[in-house]
Amino acid sequence: DVKVTQSSRYLVKRTGEKVFLECVQDMDHENMFWYRQDPGLGLRLIYFSYDVKMKEKGDIPEGYSVSREKKERFSLILESASTNQTSMYLCASSSGTGVYGYTFGSGTRLTVV
Amino acid sequence: EDQVTQSPEALRLQEGESSSLNCSYTVSGLRGLFWYRQDPGKGPEFLFTLYSAGEEKEKERLKATLTKKESFLHITAPKPEDSATYLCAVYADSWGKLQFGAGTQVVVTP
Repeated sequence: DVKVTQSSRYLVKRTGEKVFLECVQDMDHENMFWYRQDPGLGLRLIYFSYDVKMKEKGDIPEGYSVSREKKERFSLILESASTNQTSMYLCASSSGTGVYGYTFGSGTRLTVV
Repeated sequence: EDQVTQSPEALRLQEGESSSLNCSYTVSGLRGLFWYRQDPGKGPEFLFTLYSAGEEKEKERLKATLTKKESFLHITAPKPEDSATYLCAVYADSWGKLQFGAGTQVVVTP
């Protein structure tokens, strides 16, 4: 069964900490995405990558960075966590054209205290 | 700018009470419309892809339809296990990005 795996289901971090969220896919997909999901705001795109070592800003990249050193792994980095980054983070992947849509991971619920 | 609007925001149904969810979109050059189901605390799960106006897809009690400006997700004789948030998304650009609506939260009571 094809999968997108996010390393943590729940995380609690302190304000100012550097936080790493990891995502691994086993489908040999070219494209990978990071979204955050908040009540009333829906899914908002943070960053995406369409190839190894490539990255593009999404709609809300401020306060985040990403790394894609290998095709199967896409990491989201919160450089200095803040309370307004408390959210559900979702990773997704898709094939090159994206015409078949995304496969999502199970999500990481991050709480910054 | 591409937009996807879902209505209603929330829907409460009695078991067996059929209803429809709406997803209206304004995109140039629609290349696909997707429906996902999301359970609380979990990632969205793929349901359907529709590519052209007039197309319909069915899965158990769910049926998705597509026109040139909107899509409907019909839930026939729902059961409590159909309770979830249903997300609509459109694929329009060349980077493979999906534009999501805010979702419709469906609660089905026994």
